[in-house]
Amino acid sequence: RKEVEQDPGPFNVPEGATVAFNCTYSNSASQSFFWYRQDCRKEPKLLMSVYSSGNEDGRFTAQLNRASQYISLLIRDSKLSDSATYLCVVSRGTGGFKTIFGAGTRLFVKA
Amino acid sequence: SQTIHQWPATLVQPVGSPLSLECTVEGTSNPNLYWYRQAAGRGLQLLFYSVGIGQISSEVPQNLSASRPQDRQFILSSKKLLLSDSGFYLCAWSLRGGVRQPQHFGDGTRLSIL
Repeated sequence: RKEVEQDPGPFNVPEGATVAFNCTYSNSASQSFFWYRQDCRKEPKLLMSVYSSGNEDGRFTAQLNRASQYISLLIRDSKLSDSATYLCVVSRGTGGFKTIFGAGTRLFVKA
Repeated sequence: SQTIHQWPATLVQPVGSPLSLECTVEGTSNPNLYWYRQAAGRGLQLLFYSVGIGQISSEVPQNLSASRPQDRQFILSSKKLLLSDSGFYLCAWSLRGGVRQPQHFGDGTRLSIL
């Protein structure tokens, strides 16, 4: 079993839709959580950190459930420019050295 | 603000040839530095990380090596490339201060082995 698991998708949604991505992690010692976005043939870029209380950045909302070892990302009012692969990232230990990237979920937003 | 530079952007090398990829970070001191590889359609695999000059830790045994000759310089090398070394190589940095610091990536090097 992978330490970080994501639904690979792809998710095909129309513009304006709300889409949710889920991620589970297996190591209960995990301490920090992030969502990254990766466009085709580009480097991953930090989208947002995920805090225990949940956090929102514009159309994006991230939630963390430590008891269930589950992280989510909600995108509201999808735009064409949101089309990308979304990576769930989990870190533990000192200095973030045990940083595990999920394989990613692909999103296609269509007009 | 901090920036990370990685070069070259694209590289085509024959099997058995040597490799040197370079990464530098500007705008910060004492960063943690990382090398990742991403095979086509796959997730990121951590290859090496470094907490300081001359300090390298390897995550996956392979024919690659890394060095950190200066605080903000990280080099990935190989003496003899294999076909399986093809992939997208990414350098990343993070601030010191524990696991709460996210990693930030360079533009990557797309390596093709012929």
